[in-house]
Amino acid sequence: GENVEQHPSTLSVQEGDSAVIKCTYSDSASNYFPWYKQELGKGPQLIIDIRSNVGEKKDQRIAVTLNKTAKHFSLHITETQPEDSAVYFCAGGSNYKLTFGKGTLLTVNP
Amino acid sequence: DAGVIQSPRHEVTEMGQEVTLRCKPISGHDYLFWYRQTMMRGLELLIYFNNNVPIDDSGMPEDRFSAKMPNASFSTLKIQPSEPRDSAVYFCASSLVPVAYEQYFGPGTRLTVT
Repeated sequence: GENVEQHPSTLSVQEGDSAVIKCTYSDSASNYFPWYKQELGKGPQLIIDIRSNVGEKKDQRIAVTLNKTAKHFSLHITETQPEDSAVYFCAGGSNYKLTFGKGTLLTVNP
Repeated sequence: DAGVIQSPRHEVTEMGQEVTLRCKPISGHDYLFWYRQTMMRGLELLIYFNNNVPIDDSGMPEDRFSAKMPNASFSTLKIQPSEPRDSAVYFCASSLVPVAYEQYFGPGTRLTVT
């Protein structure tokens, strides 16, 4: 089955700096890679996703890149704000099933 | 839409008791997923349904766990008997279409088994 590794497990940045979270996956059949943000006491919420036929996708301050050959994908958040503080999960999969990374606790310091 | 609704939000029970978690998916979503989240194992898929039919239950940890979806608007996850190692946050999620598309998560049920 799919195995998704996520790094780092914790990340602390100053407000206004950029944050980068990286994930690798093992199953070459995986073709869908979403990123979820989870705030304390809430369920994960999709913030951006990318499919295997695309190398990069951007939505305002958030971007995701995918390297199918190396089987890794990354989340980039620019101009970070305190409200970006949360746990971020990457996931990979195909069809119905998503395998999630262990999560990254992002702290944005004012 | 109110989103995915889960109840209860918190459940504390004693070892050996039966626990039932409930989920109402977003109306019109044909896919329903149950996940378990722990610090050690992260977010794990337990089972998913398509049109009320269980499709893949390979993530269900053992026979003490069972899930049902009697209709399109309601699903239950039951643990009987419960054990302390079942303590976790259980999420229900629903999705509109097949293949891997956005899954909408509920707020979760925090289960504590003492």
